[in-house]
Amino acid sequence: QVQLVQSGAEVKKPGASVKVSCQISGFPFINFHISWVRQAPRQGLEWMGCISAYNGYTNHARNFQDRVTLTTDTSTSTAYMELRSLRSDDTAVYFCASLSGGGEFDYWGQGTLVTVSS
Amino acid sequence: IVMTQSPATLSVSPGERATLSCGASQSVSTNLAWYQQKPGQAPRLLIYGASTRATDVPARFSGSVSGTEFTLSISSLQSEDFAVYYCQLYNSWPPTWTFGQGTKVEI
Repeated sequence: QVQLVQSGAEVKKPGASVKVSCQISGFPFINFHISWVRQAPRQGLEWMGCISAYNGYTNHARNFQDRVTLTTDTSTSTAYMELRSLRSDDTAVYFCASLSGGGEFDYWGQGTLVTVSS
Repeated sequence: IVMTQSPATLSVSPGERATLSCGASQSVSTNLAWYQQKPGQAPRLLIYGASTRATDVPARFSGSVSGTEFTLSISSLQSEDFAVYYCQLYNSWPPTWTFGQGTKVEI
């Protein structure tokens, strides 16, 4: 079965960068489109961006266009999300999710807590 | 496009029916999904294409659409159904995904 396994929790200072990984198993990696969604404490879900593992095409939400870089490594079936210039309001759980044909997210990673604090 | 969920909190007794709404700010496709999220867990896909149940989702969950108003119904609430529910719209061009703010279903 499809599994998405994310890297562990991170603590960063304001202004730093964080890179979260999402390793996918159970299906050929190049078939995946992977989105990143974040959830601030006690808040809702916010879509950040999406990347095709097949051709590397990316699309970002406007709020993150200047600070997020999405990449993939097909040799390890891993997707990455790097967020730069961290602020305290970037403290959140970051999820990766696989995109299904109709635009829904059918499989999710377990989430990675990123804490930004001085 | 803004997706507005109502109510923010829904208080229901076990065995009762719950009806959750998600309205779009403009005419949209039916690429609408519903997710269930419990504390400390990732969201779980329940409904896609506005009305198709995802794999292993119980039949008590159903989705429907009328115009720009989407509805998730839970016919007879079980204890494991108390959670937060999110709607999510997919817009094909440019490809963007928009979540509603969530409805908490509580006892």
